Amino acid sequence: GAVVSQHPSWVICKSGTSVKIECRSLDFQATTMFWYRQFPKQSLMLMATSNEGSKATYEQGVEKDKFLINHASLTLSTLTVTSAHPEDSSFYICSAPTGYYGYTFGSGTRLTVV
Amino acid sequence: AQSVTQLGSHVSVSEGALVLLRCNYSSSVPPYLFWYVQYPNQGLQLLLKYTSAATLVKGINGFEAEFKKSETSFHLTKPSAHMSDAAEYFCAVSDGSGNTGKLIFGQGTTLQVKP
Repeated sequence: GAVVSQHPSWVICKSGTSVKIECRSLDFQATTMFWYRQFPKQSLMLMATSNEGSKATYEQGVEKDKFLINHASLTLSTLTVTSAHPEDSSFYICSAPTGYYGYTFGSGTRLTVV
Repeated sequence: AQSVTQLGSHVSVSEGALVLLRCNYSSSVPPYLFWYVQYPNQGLQLLLKYTSAATLVKGINGFEAEFKKSETSFHLTKPSAHMSDAAEYFCAVSDGSGNTGKLIFGQGTTLQVKP
């Protein structure tokens, strides 16, 4: 089946630094990638939608300059958290549609900013 | 706009008992509905989905859900809970923009299974 590989699984970074999270579609071409953020014991909130070769579409309230999304190829989408601060600590998950209302999710990245 | 509401943020059942997780939806178009399970620090795994075919949908691990338009509900059930069912469960609805549209998630329900 369609698999999205997400890395890293967890990362700890210092406040003010940037962190890149990668999602790779291993056995299919992902023209679209959804990026979600999940706080502890809460639901998934859509941050942005990336489409290969075009600019990402951000949800209302999401800072475009802080959460940089790049979808340069059909198999790779990245989320870079720039100038990270403790409030950016969260669980980030990517998801790609696989056709006919199928979606595959990455395994998530636990970001801790200290 | 599409939305889902999960009634009960926490459900506790005994092993072997019936599992019932509630989900109500709001949609301006015929909805496509999903149930996902999430284990700690992991991504989401699809349990089942409704895409306007049979109203009773059978999924993995013995779960099933029934789409009831009159009640705008899509409750998830399992006849007999197993300890391994303890996890977070999310109901979701597609935003209606086609079969690659974004998913809108409910608040989630934590299922606890007691021995």
